[in-house]
Amino acid sequence: DGGITQSPKYLFRKEGQNVTLSCEQNLNHDAMYWYRQDPGQGLRLIYYSQIVNDFQKGDIAEGYSVSREKKESFPLTVTSAQKNPTAFYLCASSIGTGGQTRTEAFFGQGTRLTVV
Amino acid sequence: DQQVKQNSPSLSVQEGRISILNCDYTNSMFDYFLWYKKYPAEGPTFLISISSIKDKNEDGRFTVFLNKSAKHLSLHIVPSQPGDSAVYFCACGGGYNKLIFGAGTRLAVHP
Repeated sequence: DGGITQSPKYLFRKEGQNVTLSCEQNLNHDAMYWYRQDPGQGLRLIYYSQIVNDFQKGDIAEGYSVSREKKESFPLTVTSAQKNPTAFYLCASSIGTGGQTRTEAFFGQGTRLTVV
Repeated sequence: DQQVKQNSPSLSVQEGRISILNCDYTNSMFDYFLWYKKYPAEGPTFLISISSIKDKNEDGRFTVFLNKSAKHLSLHIVPSQPGDSAVYFCACGGGYNKLIFGAGTRLAVHP
């Protein structure tokens, strides 16, 4: 089945540690995104990538890093510099690059990160 | 500065009646608009979209209306069903598929 997979579903991290969230898609989509959801708030864009080996900061990139070495994979690292990392993290992908195509983004099931 | 606003955090509707969810945006560069439905602890699922060249798009019980001059879109669900109870997010896109989401509206459909 084609889809987008995030792992793990739940993740606990000690303060001061870096942690990496996995996101894999087999939809052959060019674009991939990371969003963060906090209670009572919408989905805020952390990073996005339109093509392999290229990515751009979203609205709340501070304390996060990403890589896009393969089309299928877009891992997100939450670094110790992120002051309030406890949140629900969502990865998404969509067809289209360069603004030529307007299609919906497909989301993974999310990873809930808790700092203990 | 919120570019996409959903001013109603919650909405309660009786089963069988119409649900109307609203969304306002500020960036005139947005040219593609989407609605997503989300259950707790799950990823959002795509519901319906509309491009800026249209003012209405219908898919079964769901209709999205776009008023470009007012920078406003709305989602109509009719008739509303209990299974429609969820959080609904509007999202706006323009250029390079970067999507900006609103804060969401929690819809409760009761018997």
